[in-house]
Amino acid sequence: DQQVKQNSPSLSVQEGRISILNCDYTNSMFDYFLWYKKYPAEGPTFLISISSIKDKNEDGRFTVFLNKSAKHLSLHIVPSQPGDSAVYFCAAPIGSSNTGKLIFGQGTTLQVKP
Amino acid sequence: DSGVTQTPKHLITATGQRVTLRCSPRSGDLSVYWYQQSLDQGLQFLIQYYNGEERAKGNILERFSAQQFPDLHSELNLSSLELGDSALYFCASSVYPQGRTGELFFGEGSRLTVL
Repeated sequence: DQQVKQNSPSLSVQEGRISILNCDYTNSMFDYFLWYKKYPAEGPTFLISISSIKDKNEDGRFTVFLNKSAKHLSLHIVPSQPGDSAVYFCAAPIGSSNTGKLIFGQGTTLQVKP
Repeated sequence: DSGVTQTPKHLITATGQRVTLRCSPRSGDLSVYWYQQSLDQGLQFLIQYYNGEERAKGNILERFSAQQFPDLHSELNLSSLELGDSALYFCASSVYPQGRTGELFFGEGSRLTVL
């Protein structure tokens, strides 16, 4: 049972445009979500998070939106840069929100073309 | 550099063999997590240790075991290896429970290939 799903394996955008990465979840008990970015031959690195008490969280060029009724979150990158080319994972803590036991989506590979 | 060190980076072995993956967490982090990433899969949580004690278990096979030592480094032991065990194994650490919710610091991973 895939509780966190990223249905788009890949996304290609032009430099300077907006990148929108999507994530759906099935467990309504999830109350916190995170996005991680992964470059080849590196481990995932934390990018941005959002609590379920908010519907938006912004950090520089990165904004995460949460739609609880639709059980959907999205990561917006504006403007996209070639250095943003990476695999992006959304994740949610299992059980207590104060835990590192995360369930991850399958990832979306973003390619930003110069 | 996340501060989490994993060795070896690459490992090739045969079915039926046993391997040990090692992880040194960030300085000061008491919690260590092991994740497995198989081909075309997201990261799957295996197990968590906090200050030497097992804290949470995921879909870890009985052929796999882990431990965290007094110096806080951790080892993941994989035995009776099968072809399907070929994967990237990530170690992560956090200050848990005082750290930011859910934020983990990952090592670069150990790529295991079982032939």
